[in-house]
Amino acid sequence: DQQVKQNSPSLSVQEGRISILNCDYTNSMFDYFLWYKKYPAEGPTFLISISSIKDKNEDGRFTVFLNKSAKHLSLHIVPSQPGDSAVYFCAASLTGTASKLTFGTGTRLQVTL
Amino acid sequence: NAGVTQTPKFQVLKTGQSMTLQCAQDMNHEYMSWYRQDPGMGLRLIHYSVGAGITDQGEVPNGYNVSRSTTEDFPLRLLSAAPSQTSVYFCACRGGRETQYFGPGTRLLVL
Repeated sequence: DQQVKQNSPSLSVQEGRISILNCDYTNSMFDYFLWYKKYPAEGPTFLISISSIKDKNEDGRFTVFLNKSAKHLSLHIVPSQPGDSAVYFCAASLTGTASKLTFGTGTRLQVTL
Repeated sequence: NAGVTQTPKFQVLKTGQSMTLQCAQDMNHEYMSWYRQDPGMGLRLIHYSVGAGITDQGEVPNGYNVSRSTTEDFPLRLLSAAPSQTSVYFCACRGGRETQYFGPGTRLLVL
């Protein structure tokens, strides 16, 4: 049972345009959400996070939106740059579950020139 | 400050062999975890630890053992390797809820 889903395995966007990566979850108890970026042959690196008490969090070119009623979050990258080409994972956690993150399957973003 | 280090980077095992994947962190974080990444599956939690002497199972613990004798080290042991354990393994540590810091991974092939 996949509690965190990323239904788009891949996405291609032109440089300078907006990239929108989507993530859905089924467990309404999740209260903290994170996005990680992963380059080949490297470990995932933290990108941005959002608590369930918020609906938006912004950090430079990256913005995460959370729609709790739809159990949906999205990551917006504006403007997209070639260096953003990577696999993006969304993850979710519950308060009190220590280190336990539940990951989605990832979306491969390719930013073209 | 090396962050999270993992050794080896790559390993080939035969079915039935045992081995230990090493993980060390120099950030003095209490929480450490092991994940495996398989194609189309994302990252799945194997075992985790909330401090020295304390470990617990994650989503896919079968076939793996862990121990946490120090804050810095969190080795993952495969007792009798199986082809289903072919995967990329990531160790992570966390100091607060904001994020986890991942190591570079160990790529394991079990023949």
